[in-house]
Amino acid sequence: SQTIHQWPATLVQPVGSPLSLECTVEGTSNPNLYWYRQAAGRGLQLLFYSVGIGQISSEVPQNLSASRPQDRQFILSSKKLLLSDSGFYLCAWSPFSSYNSPLHFGNGTRLTVT
Amino acid sequence: GDSVTQMEGPVTLSEEAFLTINCTYTATGYPSLFWYVQYPGEGLQLLLKATKADDKGSNKGFEATYRKETTSFHLEKGSVQVSDSAVYFCALSDRRETSGSRLTFGEGTQLTVNP
Repeated sequence: SQTIHQWPATLVQPVGSPLSLECTVEGTSNPNLYWYRQAAGRGLQLLFYSVGIGQISSEVPQNLSASRPQDRQFILSSKKLLLSDSGFYLCAWSPFSSYNSPLHFGNGTRLTVT
Repeated sequence: GDSVTQMEGPVTLSEEAFLTINCTYTATGYPSLFWYVQYPGEGLQLLLKATKADDKGSNKGFEATYRKETTSFHLEKGSVQVSDSAVYFCALSDRRETSGSRLTFGEGTQLTVNP
């Protein structure tokens, strides 16, 4: 069966520090991968998605970036965090090129920027 | 663009009460529709889905029917339990060819069930 791992679970970082969140998927090949952010008390915002290695699409302009160095690895990064980057970050996957398939989410990373 | 509108929360009910959480959508074409549930401190879990008009998705006593004529996908449960307390998200799929299963989510509705 397929599983998705996301870490760390919680993170407290000072403003201006770098960020690296990692997500890996097991049990499937060539998945579509996604990063969502959930701000406190609000819905989910799609940040990035990827349909293959090295292919990243950005949904909103911001100081975050994403990379997909391997088929089942998706990394969210920032060079300098802002206070507004605080939130709950969720990684998700879906089968390749299937628009009817639901997303499968990781357990999320709660990021607090101080 | 596509959008999803959910009824505002929070919603507070007593155990065994009837639940309805309204969801309406705007989309080009014929999206697939989903309900997700998020328990405290966790990621989202798929609750149910419907892929075409008049389909009814159901799971764990929850139901939702894809109504094309009213562009709605309301979530219902006949008798809620304390364990149903969570945030519920309505979502639709984006059927653009290169986007896989990108979903557009509603704002979420917080449900609290008291014993």
